[in-house]
Amino acid sequence: DIVMTQSPLSLPVTLGQPASISCRSSQSLVHSDGNTYLSWFQQRPGQSPRRLIYKVSNRDSGVPDRFSGSGSGTDFTLKISRVEAEDVGLYYCMQGTHWWTFGQGTKVEIK
Amino acid sequence: EVQLVESGGGLVQPGGSLRLSCAASGFSFNTYSMNWVRQAPGKGLEWLSFISSSSGRIYYADSVKGRFTISRDNAKNSLYLQMNSLRDEDTAVYYCVRETGFGEPDYWGQGTLVTVSS
Repeated sequence: DIVMTQSPLSLPVTLGQPASISCRSSQSLVHSDGNTYLSWFQQRPGQSPRRLIYKVSNRDSGVPDRFSGSGSGTDFTLKISRVEAEDVGLYYCMQGTHWWTFGQGTKVEIK
Repeated sequence: EVQLVESGGGLVQPGGSLRLSCAASGFSFNTYSMNWVRQAPGKGLEWLSFISSSSGRIYYADSVKGRFTISRDNAKNSLYLQMNSLRDEDTAVYYCVRETGFGEPDYWGQGTLVTVSS
């Protein structure tokens, strides 16, 4: 199984400041079809996960443009350009190249 | 609007069985593959099972293979998970998840809690 490792696991951020979450996979996520199936999900307290980013850098409809995804191969990053109060919650990376596996989650909180 | 509504969770004793349902609406259910994912209390997310749009392909995680059975009824826009031989470690919130394309989950239901305890 592919292991997804996120860091940090806890991320206190000041409102209006940027935030960055790293996600590393134990093997390359490039599929034989040429795509890289790496997604990011946000889970607000008491809610189910909501997809923010798919195929590394594609933002879902309705997702604020302060969220961006980047990376390739085994190293990926989710960035929030200016954190807002509604961004508090857990963030998971997920690979879909070889079945599905998820990172441990990063808790974003306001300082 | 895409909606996925799970039901069927509850308290069950170890060794018991439970059948979860997921009612889909707002999209052409019969054209999408579906999955079950669970989240143990305070833990991360674990993929459990996949079923293709026509039920022709079915896969399971090793942790539930031989105990859980995924199925769907396209006429009823419904997804199911039959869970047998339940263990304490199966305690979790169970989500049904739509797969928009290979390796790309998008919409999640609100989840249903399964508690396995004596």
